[in-house]
Amino acid sequence: ETGVTQSPTHLIKTRGQQVTLRCSSQSGHNTVSWYQQALGQGPQFIFQYYREEENGRGNFPPRFSGLQFPNYSSELNVNALELDDSALYLCASSFKPLPGTNEKLFFGSGTQLSVL
Amino acid sequence: AQSVTQLDSHVSVSEGTPVLLRCNYSSSYSPSLFWYVQHPNKGLQLLLKYTSAATLVKGINGFEAEFKKSETSFHLTKPSAHMSDAAEYFCVVSARNNAGNMLTFGGGTRLMVKP
Repeated sequence: ETGVTQSPTHLIKTRGQQVTLRCSSQSGHNTVSWYQQALGQGPQFIFQYYREEENGRGNFPPRFSGLQFPNYSSELNVNALELDDSALYLCASSFKPLPGTNEKLFFGSGTQLSVL
Repeated sequence: AQSVTQLDSHVSVSEGTPVLLRCNYSSSYSPSLFWYVQHPNKGLQLLLKYTSAATLVKGINGFEAEFKKSETSFHLTKPSAHMSDAAEYFCVVSARNNAGNMLTFGGGTRLMVKP
């Protein structure tokens, strides 16, 4: 167990809807990263939050947005869902003493999103 | 820019025989390299990590990997496969710059272990 929990575990939405995925970081961690893993592929970096500020973003459109709260829990929001958004969404937390450091990530088990 | 290529999408071995999962990387910066394992319905687990110390890195569950800069490779090995090793394995690169802890994953190798 990594101490990182994600909810819900499974979710079904229809095209055009909006979805919010949640992540509870491991205690003491100040950084959260989100990844999208399409079926049969490796995870792709969406963005990272460090101390409630976005600290890096991958090649995803603005309809993918996030929040990190003072207790370091996090949300991933996706607007105007498309069929290709169907994937496993993974959250990973870590403790960074500085924003550019490279620390071990602890992954949650993910939320499986299906868009119909 | 950074990228990772896992040369085999599927590898099948018999229990008790050696495992070799191949990985090549590309990075503009001095890279950190990782291997992660993903069991069904479980989160990604770190097997081992290379960060410019010893080129031969030992990880958990008997796995190890060797960093070869001249070949830009970071292959994962294990002397003797166990049934519980059956899973998806990802080679990962992280650039040491100020873009945060962005990991770039390879496409994955599914390891199957036959009794």
